[in-house]
Amino acid sequence: NAGVMQNPRHLVRRRGQEARLRCSPMKGHSHVYWYRQLPEEGLKFMVYLQKENIIDESGMPKERFSAEFPKEGPSILRIQQVVRGDSAAYFCASSPLSGTLSYEQYFGPGTRLTVT
Amino acid sequence: DAKTTQPPSMDCAEGRAANLPCNHSTISGNEYVYWYRQIHSQGPQYIIHGLKNNETNEMASLIITEDRKSSTLILPHATLRDTAVYYCIVLNTNAGKSTFGDGTTLTVKP
Repeated sequence: NAGVMQNPRHLVRRRGQEARLRCSPMKGHSHVYWYRQLPEEGLKFMVYLQKENIIDESGMPKERFSAEFPKEGPSILRIQQVVRGDSAAYFCASSPLSGTLSYEQYFGPGTRLTVT
Repeated sequence: DAKTTQPPSMDCAEGRAANLPCNHSTISGNEYVYWYRQIHSQGPQYIIHGLKNNETNEMASLIITEDRKSSTLILPHATLRDTAVYYCIVLNTNAGKSTFGDGTTLTVKP
């Protein structure tokens, strides 16, 4: 059973370009979470999605950032018009279908975005 | 979600038990205690979770006090590869997101 996959692992963008980060959850997982980690800082929650639904986007910046988890295909975190402050590691996690009382999350290896 | 308090750093000798404390004094009845760790630059790794009973798996043991206001993660025989940042979080079963604090940086020394 493959783990959570993220691609690309490293992404370099110039200021003003768009960044698209992809996350394929573990097989059988229908909950996806995105986190951002700035250098030397902890993980910050961004958004929680289920298939075709955004459940909680309280950690998403109001502008330039969006996320989706379509019925088919990976979850996408999209950053428009990137700025240097967007440089960070972006981690995706997935968890099993609700029905249990616990939500252990399994993390991917992350995408390291560098904005030049 | 309840907030947690952890010491910023701890050292442990290789082969000895590492005991990592966590305070969560405002935890409510339906919140679980979860532990994750992040080895340098890698994605966080789930370790263990519990509600009120002590738990053990192949990685670690989790001891939760009777009043549930604190817990301890125990790595019974720490190795150099256990050097990582350890995060204790509490999570409402109805909420998906996890709020990670600053964690404890555990350094296992030879």
